[in-house]
Amino acid sequence: KQEVTQIPAALSVPEGENLVLNCSFTDSAIYNLQWFRQDPGKGLTSLLLIQSSQREQTSGRLNASLDKSSGRSTLYIAASQPGDSATYLCAVPGGSYIPTFGRGTSLIVHP
Amino acid sequence: GAGVSQSPSNKVTEKGKDVELRCDPISGHTALYWYRQSLGQGLEFLIYFQGNSAPDKSGLPSDRFSAERTGGSVSTLTIQRTQQEDSAVYLCASSLQGQGALGEQYFGPGTRLTVT
Repeated sequence: KQEVTQIPAALSVPEGENLVLNCSFTDSAIYNLQWFRQDPGKGLTSLLLIQSSQREQTSGRLNASLDKSSGRSTLYIAASQPGDSATYLCAVPGGSYIPTFGRGTSLIVHP
Repeated sequence: GAGVSQSPSNKVTEKGKDVELRCDPISGHTALYWYRQSLGQGLEFLIYFQGNSAPDKSGLPSDRFSAERTGGSVSTLTIQRTQQEDSAVYLCASSLQGQGALGEQYFGPGTRLTVT
C-alpha cells in the first residue's frame, strides 16, 4: 500500500525566502506525481504534474523534482510571497489509478 | 465548462436525513473521483469512475454511501441516514486518464457538509 509523507507539516517564513517542501512515498513504482495547492475553504489547484521519466518540472517560481529510486519529490518555491500562503499537497498513484495524498504542508508567508 | 463544478457549496442537514451532492466534471474527462476531507485530516478517497467501467467503490466508508455517474458525465454522491461523523468537505475531481497512468487531476471547489 502506497504511503505518502510530507515534511514539514507546517512552515512560517518571512517574505522573500526560498523554500523547499518535501514529499516521500513508499512505493517507487509510480507513473507520475502531482503537486497541488489548497487555499482555506477551497478545492485543490494543480501546480505541477511530473512524469516518472522526468526529473523536474518548472512553472514560474515553482520547481518540482522527482527521484523515483529514493521515493522523494521536492517542491521548490523561489522568492516566496504572502500570496503563496496555502497548504501544499503531493499525490502519487496507488493501485488501480487511485491517488494517495500526503497530509500537506501548511505554509504561511508573512510580509 | 471552464472547470469542475460542485453543488451545493454548503449543506446543513439533520442527523438521519439523506443528502445528495452533485459534481459536473470537465467535459471530455473520462475519470471522476470523489474524496472526503475532514477537519485536520488528509484527503480520503471514496469512489472512482472511469468511462463505462464498473466504479471502484473501495473507499466508501459504509453502505450508507453510494454514487452514480450518468452518461459518463455528471455524478451524484448520496449519503443516506447521515451521521455527525459524515461532516466534512466532499471534493470531486476529474481527469483525462492516460494509458495506465494517473492523469492530471482537476478539482472542484467542494461541498461542505454539516450534519447537526
